[in-house]
Amino acid sequence: AQSVTQLGSHVSVSEGALVLLRCNYSSSVPPYLFWYVQYPNQGLQLLLKYTSAATLVKGINGFEAEFKKSETSFHLTKPSAHMSDAAEYFCAVSGSGNQFYFGTGTSLTVIP
Amino acid sequence: DSGVTQTPKHLITATGQRVTLRCSPRSGDLSVYWYQQSLDQGLQFLIQYYNGEERAKGNILERFSAQQFPDLHSELNLSSLELGDSALYFCASSAQEGGVGNTGELFFGEGSRLTVL
Repeated sequence: AQSVTQLGSHVSVSEGALVLLRCNYSSSVPPYLFWYVQYPNQGLQLLLKYTSAATLVKGINGFEAEFKKSETSFHLTKPSAHMSDAAEYFCAVSGSGNQFYFGTGTSLTVIP
Repeated sequence: DSGVTQTPKHLITATGQRVTLRCSPRSGDLSVYWYQQSLDQGLQFLIQYYNGEERAKGNILERFSAQQFPDLHSELNLSSLELGDSALYFCASSAQEGGVGNTGELFFGEGSRLTVL
């Protein structure tokens, strides 16, 4: 079975500060991992995905994530937060079967 | 714009009623997924269809049912509605069927917000 755990349901950072959103996964097979972002009143859109190529994955809007098998982690980072980054972020895993398993989400607040 | 269309965007109804939510996937996508998003449960997978056939089932209640039609649009039927069914229901589509290590991304619609009074 697959699952993801997002540590911290709410994260606040100052504008210009480092953004770090944590995600740990559990998977009995090599996982494929995703980060999605949800802006208010919108659906989820893909930020980036890991599919067993490079362990450091770059996504849209300056975000990147690093797959660390030894730590079963796939944390999302951005060097400098922007006000427009305020949103809900979801980590997801796809392993065996047809399902995507989503984490409970992390709400990012950017303080001016 | 993801290319996934969901209707209606908002729906208010009473307990005990039945509603149908509709989803048109992205052009060319054969897989449709339904998710329920509520404040206390997060994003819960309900069911997936591929080219008209059910492929995977998640935490879908027996009062709920879905189908995918030959033109690939999908409908989620919610019956005997309860207050706890109030949520945002998302449809997502994918080009891939799924299976082991689904590497294809999901494209989400903007959701249908259901309020049960």
